[in-house]
Amino acid sequence: ENVLTQSPGTLSLSPGERATLSCRASQSISSNYLAWYQQKLGQAPSLLIHGASSRATGIPDRFSGSGSGTDFTLTISRLEPEDFAVYYCQQYDSSPLTFGGGTKVEIK
Amino acid sequence: EAQLLESGGGMVRPGGSLRLSCAASGFTFDDYGMSWVRQAPGKGLEWVSAINWNGDRTGYADSVKGRFTISRDNTKNSLYLQMNSLRDEDTALYYCVRANFGGADSYYHSMGVWGKGTTVTVSS
Repeated sequence: ENVLTQSPGTLSLSPGERATLSCRASQSISSNYLAWYQQKLGQAPSLLIHGASSRATGIPDRFSGSGSGTDFTLTISRLEPEDFAVYYCQQYDSSPLTFGGGTKVEIK
Repeated sequence: EAQLLESGGGMVRPGGSLRLSCAASGFTFDDYGMSWVRQAPGKGLEWVSAINWNGDRTGYADSVKGRFTISRDNTKNSLYLQMNSLRDEDTALYYCVRANFGGADSYYHSMGVWGKGTTVTVSS
């Protein structure tokens, strides 16, 4: 099983600041089959990034994904009030599909 | 607009069974792989099971293998999860999820459309 470890567990930032979230895999992920999701309180998750760096339909360009192999990053260039949420990474390169434990981005 | 509507959740005693259903609309159902993903109260996301577009490839998390069975009926635009031998630790909100892209033969996918979920509570 490819275990995904997200860090930090919680990120305390102010609106307008830059957020950098990390996702590290225990095994290399081929073809960059890594996705990022946002989950707001009381809502279902929604897809932000697929293929490690491709934004999903309708996702603003302040969200960007990068990385390869075992190390991946989600960057939010300037936090908007609606961006405070929990973020998960997920790999779909091998079975079982796995999610990271999540990073909570909270208002400082 | 693609939509997924789960049903079938409820309260059940340990060792019992439930069958979850997911009704899909707004897209060509048999083009897409589908998954079930669960979230225990206050916890993160856990992939449970997935199925490819025609049902001949399925996968399961180790935690549910041998107890849960995923299936689909493309004539009814529906996805199912038969859950047997339920345990306390299966208590969660269960999401029906559509692959982000269609046309793939495997069940490995990113998750582009999510339902609102149905709650399963296992308790004596």
